[in-house]
Amino acid sequence: AQSVSQHNHHVILSEAASLELGCNYSYGGTVNLFWYVQYPGQHLQLLLKYFSGDPLVKGIKGFEAEFIKSKFSFNLRKPSVQWSDTAEYFCAVRNDYKLSFGAGTTVTVRA
Amino acid sequence: DSGVTQTPKHLITATGQRVTLRCSPRSGDLSVYWYQQSLDQGLQFLIQYYNGEERAKGNILERFSAQQFPDLHSELNLSSLELGDSALYFCASTPGTAEYNEQFFGPGTRLTVL
Repeated sequence: AQSVSQHNHHVILSEAASLELGCNYSYGGTVNLFWYVQYPGQHLQLLLKYFSGDPLVKGIKGFEAEFIKSKFSFNLRKPSVQWSDTAEYFCAVRNDYKLSFGAGTTVTVRA
Repeated sequence: DSGVTQTPKHLITATGQRVTLRCSPRSGDLSVYWYQQSLDQGLQFLIQYYNGEERAKGNILERFSAQQFPDLHSELNLSSLELGDSALYFCASTPGTAEYNEQFFGPGTRLTVL
């Protein structure tokens, strides 16, 4: 069965620090990859997505992610976080009609 | 605001009861997906409908069922509720079924079973 692993359960960092969240998936075929963010009390919003082409994908709010096929990874990065980036981040992999989510990483940014 | 609406926002009920959650997709979207988010299971895909027909099934219990109506809104029916069914239930919609379609999520219905 396909699975999505997010390595960090909770990350705490200070404003202006760099952020990297790891995501690995187990499916070996063609996949579509996503990062979603859920701000406190809000619905899931798409940060970025990868389908094909340039493996370095830029999303909204200064986020980017790199798809490394050989490592089955799709890590999310942001060079300098802000307090408003405090949220839960979910990696997701699409196969057929099903979107499988990782367990999520809670990011807390201290001012 | 994603354009996907869900009602009610909160629902508190007792074990053994039955509830119905409602989702209205974005205007023009034909596909509706249901997800359950709980602390122990994370975000789990339940079921997908496309233009009124069931398209894919995930980890949906037999006590749960869904349907999509001609006006494209969808309902998720949860019966014989158990304490463990307490969770946030999201629906999402996309224009079609293509792999590249982004799913737009609603605000969720928080179900508490006492």
